[in-house]
Amino acid sequence: DTGVSQDPRHKITKRGQNVTFRCDPISEHNRLYWYRQTLGQGPEFLTYFQNEAQLEKSRLLSDRFSAERPKGSFSTLEIQRTEQGDSAMYLCASSLAMGTSVKLFFGSGTQLSVL
Amino acid sequence: QQQVKQSPQSLIVQKGGISIINCAYENTAFDYFPWYQQFPGKGPALLIAIRPDVSEKKEGRFTISFNKSAKQFSLHIMDSQPGDSATYFCAASEGSTLTFGKGTMLLVSP
Repeated sequence: DTGVSQDPRHKITKRGQNVTFRCDPISEHNRLYWYRQTLGQGPEFLTYFQNEAQLEKSRLLSDRFSAERPKGSFSTLEIQRTEQGDSAMYLCASSLAMGTSVKLFFGSGTQLSVL
Repeated sequence: QQQVKQSPQSLIVQKGGISIINCAYENTAFDYFPWYQQFPGKGPALLIAIRPDVSEKKEGRFTISFNKSAKQFSLHIMDSQPGDSATYFCAASEGSTLTFGKGTMLLVSP
């Protein structure tokens, strides 16, 4: 169990550019989540996958955001035409779907700064 | 609409003291209530969790008290240590996603 890994740890970009983040979940976990966290706030749910299927998307996930999980393993989150309001920590988490307990294991996040 | 309200925003406790963080929720369909601990530069880590059919759960120095009728739950950290200094988040789930509170920054002074 190597934990959830996210890449890159930090990303600085200019407004209007596209960015892509990667998440590698714990290998036996079938669920993968993306959350966003801004300073002084709790994580906010964006979307989640069970295997390769994207099962739920938050209204926070605008059309500029797209997430994929090909083959049910790693996931990518792309933000197109970034805006300053996109600056945040993007957290990935994984879990094993078992009963009704939602036990999320988080990565250390990707800190995005949009200049 | 903030579904999980957490207080206080920040807390300073002396070493050896008891830290208490409170959360309240509105959605009666929530059926799982975890607490997460987050250190700077790291993602949140699951600390302890409870289901609404139990009024209290204890794991080491950490205890969750749950009041279903009041729709409130709290985290108690006994014998608080400087290493407990972190941000704590309560959360609640309905289905497959977690909704988090805004967090409490705890500082345990030596």
